[in-house]
Amino acid sequence: ETGVTQSPTHLIKTRGQQVTLRCSSQSGHNTVSWYQQALGQGPQFIFQYYREEENGRGNFPPRFSGLQFPNYSSELNVNALELDDSALYLCASSLGGEGGYEQYFGPGTRLTVT
Amino acid sequence: DQQVKQNSPSLSVQEGRISILNCDYTNSMFDYFLWYKKYPAEGPTFLISISSIKDKNEDGRFTVFLNKSAKHLSLHIVPSQPGDSAVYFCAATPRGSNYKLTFGKGTLLTVNP
Repeated sequence: ETGVTQSPTHLIKTRGQQVTLRCSSQSGHNTVSWYQQALGQGPQFIFQYYREEENGRGNFPPRFSGLQFPNYSSELNVNALELDDSALYLCASSLGGEGGYEQYFGPGTRLTVT
Repeated sequence: DQQVKQNSPSLSVQEGRISILNCDYTNSMFDYFLWYKKYPAEGPTFLISISSIKDKNEDGRFTVFLNKSAKHLSLHIVPSQPGDSAVYFCAATPRGSNYKLTFGKGTLLTVNP
């Protein structure tokens, strides 16, 4: 059973640029959630995808968008990057539906915006 | 407004003793609670959870206690081991919420040999 993987590990971008982060969910999981963890804070929910549809969104602007693919892998896209977008971005997969509340996290992508 | 609060940024205990990590919440809609452990350069790892219909859940050295009237939960680790040194996050979710997790800021636990 493979765990959740994310790429890239680290990324440096300039303010105003766009970025795409990728996530492969754990085998058998059909739901992917994305979280942003700023320094010294707990992870904050960005949005969730269940069977390729957005299934809930946190308090993030529309320049944060996502996709989920038929194999349940997912992308997080951020447009018009701002300095405050510098954070660790975590992807978590789960069974979804009645599968339970436990979410399993990948190692994260560290994004630095300069 | 923080709906899940971990008021102790850090905790230090001796190996073999009990570690008690605390968490308070304000949203009465929360009905499922989870603890995650995070090592540096890794994602959070699920540790243990509890539903609001219970007041205790035990898994090996880890026990979570829930006091709904006080909106308080705690994680007990007995006995503590140096490998338990990590940041511990408390998280909560309302029923039927698409399982969106709301996290606290975390508590850094250091277990000294």
